[in-house]
Amino acid sequence: DAGVTQSPTHLIKTRGQHVTLRCSPISGHKSVSWYQQVLGQGPQFIFQYYEKEERGRGNFPDRFSARQFPNYSSELNVNALLLGDSALYLCASSLGRVPSITGELFFGEGSRLTVL
Amino acid sequence: KQEVTQIPAALSVPEGENLVLNCSFTDSAIYNLQWFRQDPGKGLTSLLLIQSSQREQTSGRLNASLDKSSGRSTLYIAASQPGDSATYLCAVEGNTGKLIFGQGTTLQVKP
Repeated sequence: DAGVTQSPTHLIKTRGQHVTLRCSPISGHKSVSWYQQVLGQGPQFIFQYYEKEERGRGNFPDRFSARQFPNYSSELNVNALLLGDSALYLCASSLGRVPSITGELFFGEGSRLTVL
Repeated sequence: KQEVTQIPAALSVPEGENLVLNCSFTDSAIYNLQWFRQDPGKGLTSLLLIQSSQREQTSGRLNASLDKSSGRSTLYIAASQPGDSATYLCAVEGNTGKLIFGQGTTLQVKP
């Protein structure tokens, strides 16, 4: 079975540009979460979507937005990119909204974004 | 506000040594604690998940313990191997479904 898949794996943008990152959850999983991992730090929670609705938002500016599609795949959008947005963006999926109740959280390999 | 701290930030040991990684959290109201492994530039691989009602979990050479009352967890790696070299992250989950991570411990096992 395919795990969590993310695309693109690597990308380079310049300041002020916009980026869209994509995530396909494990088949049957209805929850997708996004995390940002800056080099040398642990991942930080950005968003969770469950059943196509936003269920949680971390402490990130409005330049960050996301959505979940009917097939449960998800997109993360970042506008007006800043140098500080350079990071590994991780997507995770789980069966239900609360992984501890419905099962574990499974992570993809991430999308490495470099902003110049 | 939940905060997770991992000590040490980096660790270098010779092959075959037993070692302990530490994780502490400030709010004991957690649903579970999870240990992950991350290879350079890669995603996260779950190693062990400890539910809040459990005290420890074991998988092969790995053993993780949880003491909610003191806000601590340890990951014990027995007979370390060069292939264990990676960054180890602990994360706690509350009732919101989001994980709060520590900054990780980067382990190097020298042959």
